[in-house]
Amino acid sequence: EAQVTQNPRYLITVTGKKLTVTCSQNMNHEYMSWYRQDPGLGLRQIYYSMNVEVTDKGDVPEGYKVSRKEKRNFPLILESPSPNQTSLYFCASSRWTGSNSPLHFGNGTRLTVT
Amino acid sequence: QKEVEQDPGPLSVPEGAIVSLNCTYSNSAFQYFMWYRQYSRKGPELLMYTYSSGNKEDGRFTAQVDKSSKYISLFIRDSQPSDSATYLCAMSYLTGGGNKLTFGTGTQLKVEL
Repeated sequence: EAQVTQNPRYLITVTGKKLTVTCSQNMNHEYMSWYRQDPGLGLRQIYYSMNVEVTDKGDVPEGYKVSRKEKRNFPLILESPSPNQTSLYFCASSRWTGSNSPLHFGNGTRLTVT
Repeated sequence: QKEVEQDPGPLSVPEGAIVSLNCTYSNSAFQYFMWYRQYSRKGPELLMYTYSSGNKEDGRFTAQVDKSSKYISLFIRDSQPSDSATYLCAMSYLTGGGNKLTFGTGTQLKVEL
């Protein structure tokens, strides 16, 4: 089944403790992206990658890192999480970066930072 | 002012009703318009995609784009309880760095028996 898989689904951590949220897609998609979803603010892009070893900042990149060493994987790294990073995170992928290529989303990771 | 405005709802309608969901936008560069549906505890999934002004129909769903008014709509005919979800509008344009995609905040819809 074609899908984007994120892990973990739920994560509670403390301020400053480094964490990684994994994302993997099995559709051989070139483009991958991370979003956060907050009430009243909607989906905001954190980072994106147009291909292996190519990553770029989205609209809200502060406090996050990503890497794209393989086509299928695009982990999101929080080196020193803070409470304002408490949010619902989505990984997404698409065949290419064109506007007519729909985004496929994972089922989300709900992160709480205390 | 946000680039894309969407009424958050919640919107509650009886089964069988016609539902109208709307978004307005301020950036005239937007060329591509989408509607995503998001069920509780799930990621968004693409429902409709349009490029030009006018209507596009797919089953019970019709997407409408009015570029002159910077206004897009999604109509759901004969609404069903299974349509209960949050509906996100999204729009994009191409830049030198690729596709710039912006989402609305979503409208929560509940279709009641």
